[in-house]
Amino acid sequence: DTQLTQSPTSLSASVGDTVTITCRASQDIANYVNWYQQKPGKAPSLLMYAASNLQSGVPSRFSGSGSGTAFTLTISSLRPEDSATYSCQQSCFTPYTFGQGTKLEIK
Amino acid sequence: QVQLQESGPGLVKPSETLSLTCTVSGASVSSGDDCWSWIRQTPGKGLEWIAFIDNRGSIYYNPSFKSRITMSADTSKNHFSLKLNSVTAADTAVYFCARRRVDLGNHVYFDIWGRGTLVTVSS
Repeated sequence: DTQLTQSPTSLSASVGDTVTITCRASQDIANYVNWYQQKPGKAPSLLMYAASNLQSGVPSRFSGSGSGTAFTLTISSLRPEDSATYSCQQSCFTPYTFGQGTKLEIK
Repeated sequence: QVQLQESGPGLVKPSETLSLTCTVSGASVSSGDDCWSWIRQTPGKGLEWIAFIDNRGSIYYNPSFKSRITMSADTSKNHFSLKLNSVTAADTAVYFCARRRVDLGNHVYFDIWGRGTLVTVSS
């Protein structure tokens, strides 16, 4: 199975900051990466697909990049409602796999 | 808009079968290009994709679960189901159903999710 490793595991930032979350794959997955946001007690919500395509309705403060084995999710102009866990997911190979998640706290 | 809702027992005994149903509204489980998936979330392993079913009834499994699961769709009720047998405490998780979509570049993503249902395996 394709392993996805996210870093950091958790981070804390202030309103207005910019943060970057990294997802590394155990093999080349081209741009077959998606990003999800999950708030406590809720289902994951799709933010980004195919590494850099913003899902409809997601603010442009969210952006994604990367190809091959290294991917990033960047959130700029942080807002309190961005406090959540962010997970990457690959769809290049089955079984589809997810990263372990990065918990973002807004100070 | 498309909505998904999981239902099923919240408590299952070890060695028994976990049965869940996902009712779809705003879309059909038997038409279009959409596929319908099960994904679970545990504190230890995080999110795990289990399986999906396409509009022709073909099922694609995560090999980790293949020997224990059955997935089906009921077009008359517009829902799809999961059965996981021989459960253990390790199967305790929040189970989500989700719509699987594919774009023109063959990128697969899960864009609509149910709220999830907690299933605890315990005697």
